[in-house]
Formats: sequence, structure tokens, C-alpha cells
Amino acid sequence: GAGVSQTPSNKVTEKGKYVELRCDPISGHTALYWYRQSLGQGPEFLIYFQGTGAADDSGLPNDRFFAVRPEGSVSTLKIQRTERGDSAVYLCASSQRLLGTPYNEQFFGPGTRLTVL
Amino acid sequence: EDQVTQSPEALRLQEGESSSLNCSYTVSGLRGLFWYRQDPGKGPEFLFTLYSAGEEKEKERLKATLTKKESFLHITAPKPEDSATYLCAVQASGGSNYKLTFGKGTLLTVNP
Repeated sequence: GAGVSQTPSNKVTEKGKYVELRCDPISGHTALYWYRQSLGQGPEFLIYFQGTGAADDSGLPNDRFFAVRPEGSVSTLKIQRTERGDSAVYLCASSQRLLGTPYNEQFFGPGTRLTVL
Repeated sequence: EDQVTQSPEALRLQEGESSSLNCSYTVSGLRGLFWYRQDPGKGPEFLFTLYSAGEEKEKERLKATLTKKESFLHITAPKPEDSATYLCAVQASGGSNYKLTFGKGTLLTVNP
């Protein structure tokens, strides 16, 4: 089946602009995560959705970052007043908690490479 | 705070030369330890989940093991196509957030 998809694959913007990054999770996956990966680093957690609600947004760096998942499927990560330090690859992952198993694996999309000039 | 440290940062092997990658972790309670492979310009690809000390899992030339403080990814007779960055991550127990805490990864290069 189809995996996690993210659009756009690349986004170049100017400092101060607003950007939206989209994630389409694997069909049926109720949990959705956003991570950010800087060069030479591992992914860092940003926000977690269980269904439509943001269950944990403790990883968002500041109030310029916001994410929504209005229908419990597609999610959009929104960044206002972008700064050069926001340049990174933004990864989305989804997972499904299977009956009878206490744990789950997260499946990642290809990421959106954001460059802020 | 959960922490993951991977070593070495980079590893060069000749084709067929077996070796191991290390992942040391500190977590209040371990729900699961995950290994991912990441190719340049792509998202992490899931490899293994380990849940408790003593557990082992294998897939082709890869074998992952787990103790209470670290995990190893053993690569037997690697091929050039095994070249990638290997990421280790932990998932803490307690609560309902299944977020992953990643290490920086080990960049593996296998020369023909």
C-alpha cells in the first residue's frame, strides 16, 4: 500500500514569509508525528496527534510553529515569520496501535526540505 | 531527559568485513528501542523494534540486540548497498505519547 507522503518535497522561502507543509499519513493510521532533522542530526520531535487533537506539542520550538489535523487524516505544519534557523528537513510519521500489542512502529515520509533565505 | 548516543559517528568497511554499531541510551523506562536506516535525501526506513533486554532480531545481514543500557546493530558480510546512516531511537514508557528520541546516527560506508 501507499506509504506516508509529504508535499512539497522542497520549499525555498524568504525570511519572514509564511509556509505550510503537508503530510498524508498511511490510511487508517490514527497517530501522526512531526519531526525536524537538521544536517548531521537525528530527527527531533515536534508534535504528536492522536486523531484530530494535538496530544503533545511540547517539541514545537516557539509560537511561530503550529500544526493541525482537522479530519484526523492529513496534517499541515504551519510556520509563521520564517527564520533562517528554521531551515531543516521536516519529517512526518504515522503509526497504528494494533490490538493486543502495547507498542507501535512509526513509518516516515520522505520529508520536506525547507530552506529559508 | 531521554538520551541516545550512537558510536561511531562514521564507519568505513570493506565489502564482507563484519562489524557492529553501538547505541547507548538513558531513559526513565523503556517502552521500545528502534533501529532505522536512512538513505541520503530520504526519510528513515524502519528496521527493528526491541522491547526487552536479551531480545534479538535479524533481517538479512543485520542483527539487533538489546541490553539494559545499550543496543548493538551487527552487520555480517556487508555489501555496498548497506551503505546508509543507521539511526537508533528510544520510546519511553508511561503516558500516551509514543514519540521517539533519536541519536545522531552512524554513517556506514561499505566499499566494494
